Amino acid sequence: AQSVTQLGSHVSVSEGALVLLRCNYSSSVPPYLFWYVQYPNQGLQLLLKYTSAATLVKGINGFEAEFKKSETSFHLTKPSAHMSDAAEYFCAVSDLGNTDKLIFGTGTRLQVFP
Amino acid sequence: DTAVSQTPKYLVTQMGNDKSIKCEQNLGHDTMYWYKQDSKKFLKIMFSYNNKELIINETVPNRFSPKSPDKAHLNLHINSLELGDSAVYFCASSHQTGGYGYTFGSGTRLTVV
Repeated sequence: AQSVTQLGSHVSVSEGALVLLRCNYSSSVPPYLFWYVQYPNQGLQLLLKYTSAATLVKGINGFEAEFKKSETSFHLTKPSAHMSDAAEYFCAVSDLGNTDKLIFGTGTRLQVFP
Repeated sequence: DTAVSQTPKYLVTQMGNDKSIKCEQNLGHDTMYWYKQDSKKFLKIMFSYNNKELIINETVPNRFSPKSPDKAHLNLHINSLELGDSAVYFCASSHQTGGYGYTFGSGTRLTVV
């Protein structure tokens, strides 16, 4: 079965610093990949998605992610963190044989310090 | 004009009770889902419906029964609630192909006491 691993349950950065949230998937077949953000007491919001087009994907709020097949990775980055970026971030991968089903990672909590 | 709306937002109930959570989407999507988010924020799929047909039914106790009267609605009924059912339940919807990703509702926080 497909799986996704997010390294680091907590990441802390200073405002203005680079944000890097790591995600690795398990399949040798390139899947659909997604990053979602969850603010406190809210639902999940789609940040960006990879669906086998360009390997560098740009999303909302200045975030982007690069699909690297050789590393089975889809890390999320943002050049300069804002206080408003503090949230929980989830990487998700479509299941093999059933792309309607998304399998989520365990999440990474991003803290941004002034 | 909320895209995926769930009601209620909060639900506090006693063990043994039966409760329902409702979900509606106005996006014209073909597929709807229920996910459970536990206290550690882990998200796990429970059910999926495509055009009122059940297509995903994960290992979920029989006390949980989804119902889809039409493709815009997916309700979740829970019988004989247990303490371990306490969680946040999210409804979501997507286009049939799945590659578009999901649109999530804002969640229903269920607390069983």
